[in-house]
Formats: sequence, C-alpha cells, structure tokens
Amino acid sequence: GAGVSQTPSNKVTEKGKYVELRCDPISGHTALYWYRQSLGQGPEFLIYFQGTGAADDSGLPNDRFFAVRPEGSVSTLKIQRTERGDSAVYLCASSPGHLGQVNTEAFFGQGTRLTVV
Amino acid sequence: TQLLEQSPQFLSIQEGENLTVYCNSSSVFSSLQWYRQEPGEGPVLLVTVVTGGEVKKLKRLTFQFGDARKDSSLHITAAQPGDTGLYLCAGPGGGADGLTFGKGTHLIIQP
Repeated sequence: GAGVSQTPSNKVTEKGKYVELRCDPISGHTALYWYRQSLGQGPEFLIYFQGTGAADDSGLPNDRFFAVRPEGSVSTLKIQRTERGDSAVYLCASSPGHLGQVNTEAFFGQGTRLTVV
Repeated sequence: TQLLEQSPQFLSIQEGENLTVYCNSSSVFSSLQWYRQEPGEGPVLLVTVVTGGEVKKLKRLTFQFGDARKDSSLHITAAQPGDTGLYLCAGPGGGADGLTFGKGTHLIIQP
C-alpha cells in the first residue's frame, strides 16, 4: 500500500467493552508509533515499536491499554474495559527510523475515531 | 517533557490576507517540524527546520526557526481556502524516540 492504513476508521463501543484498533504501516518502515488525539488537542504519544518490540510504552495511560506488533509490520492497539474518557482519535504513524533523528518524517494514517458510549 | 505552545489557537481570516502562527518553548530543540492536518486525516509533514535562524519557503508558506532554537513561526502569504486546516508543530521528545506535538492552530480561510 502507498500509505499507512488504519482500520476501522470509526468505532463506537459501549463502556466496559474491549476494542482492537489495527495499523498497517508503510512497507519497510521499522518504526511504528501510536498517538491519541483528543478534540482540540495535538497528538499525544502512546507507544513506540522498533521492529517487533515495544521500545517505549511510557505514554500508555494505564494497564487497560496494550499494543502488539508480532511480526514487525502490522500493529494492534488493544483497549480493555473501555471508558468514556477513552473516546478520541487514535493515530498510527510509521517512519524509516526513529523520530528523534533529525529530518525523519512521520507518516500518519487517517486515524480511528473511537467513541465510547 | 518539553512543551510546545502554539498561538493563536484559532484563526479565521479572509482569502488573500497574510497571517503568522507561532510555536514557542522554554526548551531548546535540535529540530522542529510543522505538520498540517485536515479533518478526518492524519497530520502531513510540511517542513523540518534544523539550524537556528533557518528560513524555509514552501510556495506561499515561510517557516522560520528561532536563533536560539526555542521557537518557530509559519507565515502564509495571500491565504487560500485550501490552506484551511490544523497546523501542528512538533519536536523530538514525545517518548524516548518520538515526537512531542503542540496543540495546534486551527486555521480557517474564508472565500
């Protein structure tokens, strides 16, 4: 695919349910990031993968949030026991190297809009 | 955590006018990036500035990195409705190897 693909584009779930959000990065990009963007805010870092391993998960708000990238490509963000405060747009980005390097561009997907009712 | 403050938060102007939006921090950044985000889409990179005092031009957009590398500005000349969007500045620091973003400037250009 030409760009980062996220599915579903929209997800409405009931409070307390479990959800999975999927990200297909650009082929060959080793770095993958999850961000959360609330209304009127900039994206907030959640977790960073380099290959298959989570290099930094310091942005995950609590242990209800978990993410995997088992084969170093597709990643899934998993949220257990969803709460209304989890409602936001969840953005995935991939890059050929880590974003702390100068002139490294983050390529974002269109996001998954999660609404917890 | 290094914070990036953007101003103004909202800006609505008429087509053809000029505007400047700002990104400020109390911390020094090795580089800053500007992204534009349209509704229902992810942010798209516009430019990266690296050297203090650097000026980069992208058609009608002019980006400047402050001499002390703590701030940046984006100036748009003769704004067009297609410039409408959320303009985000970002710098290294969100997570060990990620980006930290400002809250953005919501820009609306009215025809």
